[in-house]
Amino acid sequence: AQKITQTQPGMFVQEKEAVTLDCTYDTSDPSYGLFWYKQPSSGEMIFLIYQGSYDQQNATEGRYSLNFQKARKSANLVISASQLGDSAMYFCAMREGRAAGNKLTFGGGTRVLVKP
Amino acid sequence: EAQVTQNPRYLITVTGKKLTVTCSQNMNHEYMSWYRQDPGLGLRQIYYSMNVEVTDKGDVPEGYKVSRKEKRNFPLILESPSPNQTSLYFCASSPPPGHSLTDTQYFGPGTRLTVL
Repeated sequence: AQKITQTQPGMFVQEKEAVTLDCTYDTSDPSYGLFWYKQPSSGEMIFLIYQGSYDQQNATEGRYSLNFQKARKSANLVISASQLGDSAMYFCAMREGRAAGNKLTFGGGTRVLVKP
Repeated sequence: EAQVTQNPRYLITVTGKKLTVTCSQNMNHEYMSWYRQDPGLGLRQIYYSMNVEVTDKGDVPEGYKVSRKEKRNFPLILESPSPNQTSLYFCASSPPPGHSLTDTQYFGPGTRLTVL
């Protein structure tokens, strides 16, 4: 079974609007962390935001917020006030506490295109 | 500046011609990993290393070798590359678990490999 599922392969968003990128995960480990990365066309992986399994509040970093619903095993990324520079591929990833090698397990990604 | 460097950034080669992709980090991290990125699959871990002379297989190790003779370096070796190894490769480093699950991995800029 897929451990990280991103069901939206691609989406358009109007500049200045908010966009929600879906991510569901599957783990039996009680200790885990969820990450979102941005990959622009240049290819590098840019860390955006982190949510720990024991965190009581949803994580926020500037225009990024993570809608963490633990019972539903979802960790959706919300980008507010989209900018043209937000056009990129976005990956959801999970690190399980017991995973060897600090392994990150990634979803397939969602490509976001911001329209002016 | 804390960074992970990879070389080369782009490589086109032919089937069967041995190649090495170098990776170096300047953060004194114990953990290093190699990932490959393929469309729709996200990033998948190839090999990881927990310290000098300690390496182990990730999820997709077939066709690859690694070595960790120095803490800062973690080269990826393709002894006999095949077209199905055409991919975007990332090296990553991180402190060991126990610091915090919030410690994200630092990714290199990526190496785009094409095997003809």
